[in-house]
Amino acid sequence: EDQVTQSPEALRLQEGESSSLNCSYTVSGLRGLFWYRQDPGKGPEFLFTLYSAGEEKEKERLKATLTKKESFLHITAPKPEDSATYLCAVQTSGTYKYIFGTGTRLKVLA
Amino acid sequence: DAGVIQSPRHEVTEMGQEVTLRCKPISGHNSLFWYRQTMMRGLELLIYFNNNVPIDDSGMPEDRFSAKMPNASFSTLKIQPSEPRDSAVYFCASSFLEETQYFGPGTRLLVL
Repeated sequence: EDQVTQSPEALRLQEGESSSLNCSYTVSGLRGLFWYRQDPGKGPEFLFTLYSAGEEKEKERLKATLTKKESFLHITAPKPEDSATYLCAVQTSGTYKYIFGTGTRLKVLA
Repeated sequence: DAGVIQSPRHEVTEMGQEVTLRCKPISGHNSLFWYRQTMMRGLELLIYFNNNVPIDDSGMPEDRFSAKMPNASFSTLKIQPSEPRDSAVYFCASSFLEETQYFGPGTRLLVL
């Protein structure tokens, strides 16, 4: 069965304290892996798409990487405005469907 | 360009009442998805359409839920009759073919 697991469930960081969020997946065939950011009371906001192992994408303080079994979202020198829930989703080959993980709630303290 | 538009943003209703949620996808997108988000189960796909045709409704919880897409710019998700366990945030998302899905702001539903 296709499955996506995110860890940790929650993470508290001091401003400037870098860390990584993990997304592990078990799927029959990966078409793409997606990272979203969700703020309270809002819909998920697209961040990155990764398609193949070894691929990396960057945006400001965020960097996403992909291996054959997991993806990492690295946050470098985070700021309080980076506080949000980060969601990972996988899309399997031949389908339009996403399977979402349950997310990591990130809190960055000033 | 406007993103995905959902209405209403908030809905409070009593058990047994009919609830209709509405979605306008991004212009040019031909795939539309309805999700439900709860603390316990996270984001769950209910149904998705491609070119206005329902492709996979295996996530629809039961016959009380129905969805339609009469044209490329409008979709509805209906719950009849509603129950307290239907309380959740319902999201609509759209994409072009298999590409990235873009989400609307959601409808927060509370069934009393």
